[in-house]
Amino acid sequence: KNQVEQSPQSLIILEGKNCTLQCNYTVSPFSNLRWYKQDTGRGPVSLTIMTFSENTKSNGRYTATLDADTKQSSLHITASQLSDSASYICVVSANTGGFKTIFGAGTRLFVKA
Amino acid sequence: DGGITQSPKYLFRKEGQNVTLSCEQNLNHDAMYWYRQDPGQGLRLIYYSQIVNDFQKGDIAEGYSVSREKKESFPLTVTSAQKNPTAFYLCASSLSGTGAYEQYFGPGTRLTVT
Repeated sequence: KNQVEQSPQSLIILEGKNCTLQCNYTVSPFSNLRWYKQDTGRGPVSLTIMTFSENTKSNGRYTATLDADTKQSSLHITASQLSDSASYICVVSANTGGFKTIFGAGTRLFVKA
Repeated sequence: DGGITQSPKYLFRKEGQNVTLSCEQNLNHDAMYWYRQDPGQGLRLIYYSQIVNDFQKGDIAEGYSVSREKKESFPLTVTSAQKNPTAFYLCASSLSGTGAYEQYFGPGTRLTVT
């Protein structure tokens, strides 16, 4: 069964600290993995995308990693800011020729001053 | 100013009434999608359309209907047959519908049915 599981479910950190969010997937055959940021009451916005051959991708203070062998990805946030408070969603697409994209439930990050 | 828009942002309806949510995009994307988001759950696909005049059921299509008469528009109707319609609805579009291209999301419509 195609699944995307994220951990932790929620996380509270102090402003300026780093954090790492995890994503495990069983989607097959793998096409790509994206991390989205979703502010409360808004639509998700793409942060990074990685294909099978990529194992690291950065976007400012956000760095995503991918281990296609273990089917794991992580999103590392450096020097967190209050504006990083949001849900972070891991999304995995399968290469089936048709549309098959699975969304994780997200990690809710709270950054405190 | 390119993008994807949804209206209204908040919608209130009485139980038993059908309601239509609007989604428009000017990105010239072929594919469009409707998702439902409930607290603590991932986005669930309701319907998607890979091209004009064609659409496919997603994982939770029961109680919903769509049309794709124009490339830029993909309205979603929540019918009275939907058992639990109160949710946050997100529309998205992408260049094509194979999953290889990024999906761009609208701001969402929060529907409350009482």
